[in-house]
Amino acid sequence: DIQMTQSPSSLSASVGDRVTITCRASQSISSYLNWYQQKPGKAPKLLIYGASSLQSGVPSRISGSGSGTDFTLTISSLQPEDFATYYCQQSYSSMYTFGQGTNLEIK
Amino acid sequence: QVQLVQSGAEVKKPGASVKVSCQASGYTFTTYYIHWVRQAPGQGLEWMGIINPSGGSTSYAQKFQGRVTMTRDTSTSTVYVELSSLRSEDTAVYFCARTYSSSSPFDYWGQGTLVTVSS
Repeated sequence: DIQMTQSPSSLSASVGDRVTITCRASQSISSYLNWYQQKPGKAPKLLIYGASSLQSGVPSRISGSGSGTDFTLTISSLQPEDFATYYCQQSYSSMYTFGQGTNLEIK
Repeated sequence: QVQLVQSGAEVKKPGASVKVSCQASGYTFTTYYIHWVRQAPGQGLEWMGIINPSGGSTSYAQKFQGRVTMTRDTSTSTVYVELSSLRSEDTAVYFCARTYSSSSPFDYWGQGTLVTVSS
């Protein structure tokens, strides 16, 4: 199976900050990398697909980049509603796998 | 509007089986794959497997092979996941989610079903 490793596992930041979360795949996955946001007690929400395409309705302060094995999710100016847990996920292999998650907390 | 509506919470004893349902609406049921993903308390997301509602073909994560069965009922647009030989480590919220193809992202999710395994 393809292993997905996210860093950091947790992050403290303030409203207005720019934050970046990294995801690394154990082998090349081309651009088959997706990002989700999850809030407590809720299902995950798709933010970015295909490494850099913004899902409809997702604010443009959220962006993704990368290809091959290294990917990043960037939030350019944190808003209160952005504090949540973020997961990367590969869809290159039919055996989907997720990163372990990054918990974004208010400083 | 697209909806995936799951069945309610379950409490099971170790060694028992549980069957969770996911009813789809708002789109053509047979044109999207359905996956099951679980999340243990305080933990991350774990992919369990996929079913193609069109023909019923399935593929399961190695970890669940032999213990999981995914089925579908096209007459009610419902997908089921059954997990057998339950143990305490299976206590989790189980989500269904759809993808357009076997390499697409999860664009819609069910609300989740809590399964508690306890003696």
